[in-house]
Amino acid sequence: EPEVTQTPSHQVTQMGQEVILRCVPISNHLYFYWYRQILGQKVEFLVSFYNNEISEKSEIFDDQFSVERPDGSNFTLKIRSTKLEDSAMYFCASSEDGADRTQYFGPGTRLLVL
Amino acid sequence: GENVEQHPSTLSVQEGDSAVIKCTYSDSASNYFPWYKQELGKRPQLIIDIRSNVGEKKDQRIAVTLNKTAKHFSLHITETQPEDSAVYFCAASRTGGFKTIFGAGTRLFVKA
Repeated sequence: EPEVTQTPSHQVTQMGQEVILRCVPISNHLYFYWYRQILGQKVEFLVSFYNNEISEKSEIFDDQFSVERPDGSNFTLKIRSTKLEDSAMYFCASSEDGADRTQYFGPGTRLLVL
Repeated sequence: GENVEQHPSTLSVQEGDSAVIKCTYSDSASNYFPWYKQELGKRPQLIIDIRSNVGEKKDQRIAVTLNKTAKHFSLHITETQPEDSAVYFCAASRTGGFKTIFGAGTRLFVKA
């Protein structure tokens, strides 16, 4: 069964550094999402992406964040200048259609900002 | 803004008993309600979902009910087993929308 994959599984970085989290969505899916989950808390929507542009974003997704689909398979989340509070698990998800279709989550990238 | 409230935050049941988790949502335009199970350190996995044109859906030991008038929906797990122990999240989104709002989660413990 096809799965969403994410790399790296863990990332440790210094405050102020840039990080890029990578995701490979399921190949026939058209909608892509990033979520974050601070340890022990709920899953929070960050951004959705369709047709090579952001379709919706949350208030968390400020100017420090950006997303890109650099080629036909990868979907990336960039945090320009990391802060301590960016430490969280970041999940990528994809769906065939919009948010009202089953979203398949990747295994996550655990980001620790020191 | 949109919000999904989930209760209880923790639920402990004996193996074989039923477990019920309840959610309410604020956005009246929401019409898709998935439930996810998340085991420790793992990704959320969809276990069941319901759309606003039905009031109930069942899949083996799991059922979900929806009351659109009251804007609440519930997850029912019957004959619970230790492997049902996990965190369960409810969520809501709109048809044609791009954002899914999650509840705060319920940590379910099933005692053998």
